[in-house]
Amino acid sequence: DAKTTQPPSMDCAEGRAANLPCNHSTISGNEYVYWYRQIHSQGPQYIIHGLKNNETNEMASLIITEDRKSSTLILPHATLRDTAVYYCIVRDYNDYKLSFGAGTTVTVRA
Amino acid sequence: DTGVSQNPRHKITKRGQNVTFRCDPISEHNRLYWYRQTLGQGPEFLTYFQNEAQLEKSRLLSDRFSAERPKGSFSTLEIQRTEQGDSAMYLCASSPYLGLQNTEAFFGQGTRLTVV
Repeated sequence: DAKTTQPPSMDCAEGRAANLPCNHSTISGNEYVYWYRQIHSQGPQYIIHGLKNNETNEMASLIITEDRKSSTLILPHATLRDTAVYYCIVRDYNDYKLSFGAGTTVTVRA
Repeated sequence: DTGVSQNPRHKITKRGQNVTFRCDPISEHNRLYWYRQTLGQGPEFLTYFQNEAQLEKSRLLSDRFSAERPKGSFSTLEIQRTEQGDSAMYLCASSPYLGLQNTEAFFGQGTRLTVV
């Protein structure tokens, strides 16, 4: 019962911005959008989350559309170390679990 | 390093043997989770502890699996009579509990189990 849809893979040039899309057309009012990434052979790493406003931290920016049916994670200046699988997750405010899909495999090329 | 620690990092076992994995969460985190990840898939939730209480178990957690968190500190995940289908990465995560507010979970590096 995947709540999000992401492209299976995408490439990005080193130093350029990487824009990762995510569709969550059935999102409800109590559900947040979370992004995690998983570098090869490591555990998932939290990136950012948001409800309806755009968010920015030291790692990335999260842009959520006004109808909240889709979002974009932006890595402003991709580096080779950003090569990873990126997971977009919709999570209820009261839920402690994370439901991962297959994610987007992002490859940053020199 | 004060992150989530998992041991061992790798385990190879023969089918039918029992295995036990350990997770040491971040010290002030009272929520602890176990996930399983097979090749090419995202992690799947197995079970959740708040302090020492196991509050949810996924249907993925068959009778051969048992998890404990004595005294609300470290946790162990035991698999009895391992099967080849148990081969996976087992991930532990922890997070603080701040009332109803969701917080991000911090994951360990995982234990990769290979059943031969």
